[in-house]
Amino acid sequence: KAGVTQTPRYLIKTRGQQVTLSCSPISGHRSVSWYQQTPGQGLQFLFEYFSETQRNKGNFPGRFSGRQFSNSRSEMNVSTLELGDSALYLCASSHDRGERKQYFGPGTRLTVT
Amino acid sequence: AQRVTQPEKLLSVFKGAPVELKCNYSYSGSPELFWYVQYSRQRLQLLLRHISRESIKGFTADLNKGETSFHLKKPFAQEEDSAMYYCALSGRGGDDKIIFGKGTRLHILP
Repeated sequence: KAGVTQTPRYLIKTRGQQVTLSCSPISGHRSVSWYQQTPGQGLQFLFEYFSETQRNKGNFPGRFSGRQFSNSRSEMNVSTLELGDSALYLCASSHDRGERKQYFGPGTRLTVT
Repeated sequence: AQRVTQPEKLLSVFKGAPVELKCNYSYSGSPELFWYVQYSRQRLQLLLRHISRESIKGFTADLNKGETSFHLKKPFAQEEDSAMYYCALSGRGGDDKIIFGKGTRLHILP
């Protein structure tokens, strides 16, 4: 099976802009989680989607949002970008909700200038 | 509050020497503990989970509820073990998110 894919791999945006990142899970996986990875804070949970519904959410401001489509693909959106949003955004999929064996994508490197 | 602490940012060990990567956690309940690893230029991947009680690539980890620890151990380090290691915690229910520690970089010296 193909692994988790994320697009784009690299992105440069300006403060105040918005961005949309995409994640395609492993075929058959229905749960998608998003994480933000920074050198200072490490890996921080953003949200988890299952069956097109957000099931869990981390402690991030409302500027961070996401959605999941019927084919389990997921997008996350960050509006009004700030410099501190520069990070590697990782997506992970698992077969079912609550399944803790997650498979990670390569990440999208977002740089905000 | 749920928390995972990895006290060492960097651990350097000679090849053939024993390895112990420390992980302490704070959780009110019965957590599920994991170790994830990220090799250079590769994706983050699950190394092992405490409920499986397995040994992967020679690594083992025992959950010590009294000390709230889940240290990762290997008796003889190999150069290919050099990587970033993350300890993670989750509640047992399906609604609990996974909390990661900040990671320890393991550097195996020749």
